[in-house]
Amino acid sequence: DIQMTQSPSSLSASVGDRVTITCRASQSISSYLNWYQQKPGKAPKLLIYAASSLQSGVPSRFSGSGSGTDFTLTISSLQPEDFATYYCQQSYSTPVTFGPGTKVDIK
Amino acid sequence: EVQLVESGGGLVKPGGSLRLSCAASGFTFSSYSMNWVRQAPGKGLEWVSSISSSSSYIYYADSVKGRFTISRDNAKNSLYLQMNSLRAEDTAVYYCAREVRGSVTAIRYFDLWGRGTLVTVSS
Repeated sequence: DIQMTQSPSSLSASVGDRVTITCRASQSISSYLNWYQQKPGKAPKLLIYAASSLQSGVPSRFSGSGSGTDFTLTISSLQPEDFATYYCQQSYSTPVTFGPGTKVDIK
Repeated sequence: EVQLVESGGGLVKPGGSLRLSCAASGFTFSSYSMNWVRQAPGKGLEWVSSISSSSSYIYYADSVKGRFTISRDNAKNSLYLQMNSLRAEDTAVYYCAREVRGSVTAIRYFDLWGRGTLVTVSS
């Protein structure tokens, strides 16, 4: 199985900050990397698919980049509604696997 | 409205069984592969099982293989997860999720999720 890691595991940031979350795969997964946002008590929500494609309806302050083993999710200007946990997911092979998550909270 | 609604969760004793359901509406259910993903309390997301649109391809996580069975009824727009020989470590919120697959590339992602149903395995 492909192992996914994320860093940092948590971060504190202020509204307006630029936030970057990193995701690393244990082997090359090309661009088969997705990002999800999850708020407490809610289902995950797809933000980015195929490493850099923005899901319909997701604000443009979210962007993704990377290929191979290293990927990043960037929030260009953090908004109050962005405080949540973010997960990466590889879809290169079955089983699909998720990273452990990065919790973004208010500084 | 496009949505997925899970049901069937509850409290069950170790070794017991439970059947989860996921009702789909607002889209052509029979055109999509579907998945179950779970989340233990305070933990991350774990993929459990997937089933192709026509039930031809079925996959399981090693942690549930031989104990869980995924199925679907396209006429009823419903997805199911039969869970047997339940263990304490199966305690989690179980989500059903719609899978989108690229027509040309191998891209796939989960674009629609239900709210989840809680399964608690405890004596």
